[in-house]
Amino acid sequence: EVQLVESGGDLVQSGRSLRLSCAASGFTFGDYGMHWVRQAPGKGLEWVSGISWNSETLIYADSVKGRFTISRDDAENSLHLQMNSLRPEDTALYYCARRMKNNVAFDIWGQGTMVTVSS
Amino acid sequence: ESVLTQSPGTLSLSPGERAILSCRASQSVSDTYLAWYQQKPGQAPRLLIYAASSRATGIPDRFSGSGSGTDFTLTISRLEPEDFAVYYCQHYGSSPPWTFGQGTKVEIK
Repeated sequence: EVQLVESGGDLVQSGRSLRLSCAASGFTFGDYGMHWVRQAPGKGLEWVSGISWNSETLIYADSVKGRFTISRDDAENSLHLQMNSLRPEDTALYYCARRMKNNVAFDIWGQGTMVTVSS
Repeated sequence: ESVLTQSPGTLSLSPGERAILSCRASQSVSDTYLAWYQQKPGQAPRLLIYAASSRATGIPDRFSGSGSGTDFTLTISRLEPEDFAVYYCQHYGSSPPWTFGQGTKVEIK
């Protein structure tokens, strides 16, 4: 079964750091670009960051640029998001998502991990 | 920056009725880069449609997508009880690369 499982979410104070992880299984992880998408409580979806299949391209939303770092470990079939200088507005459910091979849409999503930043 | 505006915000319909959801882009987009997702409460989004009109794997044929340029539509031909959810359109562009609309909630009338 194709699956993504996020972990690492927590309640942290503003200005602190957190590292999210996403464990992939059921597919050849190294063949796919991977992304993080977040959803603040009661709000819509916001794309956060993405990494190409070969790690050559890393991209970030302006709202997190310079604070968040995306990475992947193909040997461990895992995706990570290092989140520094966290702000209350970063409070959200963070999903990892797989980009389709032949399109830019996200065809597989995890269930999300919750990050809460207190002021 | 391309902005996606979905309408209506909420659609109140009965099972068996047809649902027509709109997604309008602030500037012309390639239909290759337009997708639709369904999200039920407490669940992750699920890809329904990619490239404006291609159904994702396992998606029933009552879901269809159409449109081009700045106007795109998701149609659910006959609503099933499990179709009541929030629907998002998504576009791939330049800045930011991936943008979502604000969502349309399809609720039971």
